[in-house]
Amino acid sequence: QLQLQESGPGLVKPSETLSLICSVSGDSINRNSFYWGWIRQPPGKGLEWIGSVFYSFSTYYNPSLKSRVTISLDTSKNRFSLRLTSVTAADTAVYYCATLYVKPGYNIGYNYMGVWGKGTTVTVSS
Amino acid sequence: QSVLTQPPSVSGAPGQRVTISCTGGSSNIGAGYDVHWYQQLPGTAPKLLIYGDTNRPSGVPDRFSASKSATSASLAITGLQAEDEADYYCQSYDNSLGGCYIFGTGTKVTVV
Repeated sequence: QLQLQESGPGLVKPSETLSLICSVSGDSINRNSFYWGWIRQPPGKGLEWIGSVFYSFSTYYNPSLKSRVTISLDTSKNRFSLRLTSVTAADTAVYYCATLYVKPGYNIGYNYMGVWGKGTTVTVSS
Repeated sequence: QSVLTQPPSVSGAPGQRVTISCTGGSSNIGAGYDVHWYQQLPGTAPKLLIYGDTNRPSGVPDRFSASKSATSASLAITGLQAEDEADYYCQSYDNSLGGCYIFGTGTKVTVV
């Protein structure tokens, strides 16, 4: 059974870099059936897709965050990571990692988030 | 950034039927992209409820159903139960401005 677990600092200072890891168990991240992604949810607000990575290391980012985001795979440890630079208070949120299931024969626009981690809270504050 | 519009809240008595709308535009739902739905119980992560417009993952009760037409979609809950009290989000893909997965604004379902 596929499971995801986020980890990383719960507090980051303004202007610094937020770094999170998503550890995957129950399957290999080196499969062409899945993309791996990050989604966040500010306190009391809705969901925002941050970006996704494929087993081929192709990445796709939310245009509104693209200049600050890097998502990468670590196949040796079966995990993937998120880096968000120059954070501000607006980046305070619960960060979720998720598996995006691929719809065979279709482009990435048809993917959906099939399995989610439990989420980790990140607060940006001095 | 484009978003999908949902009513902030809907409510119903146990056993009743409620529906949640999800309104998009020509660059997302209207472009033919699938709509997916997620349920978020209080204090927990979202959970996939419906994928590919109308499909239920294994384990999701059949009292949850969904449909799509033109530039909108809807989720229906029949036989509403207390355990259905949660936030519900639709999700699709928008091909404007470089492409992006987008979520609905979210709907709080209250069982009264």
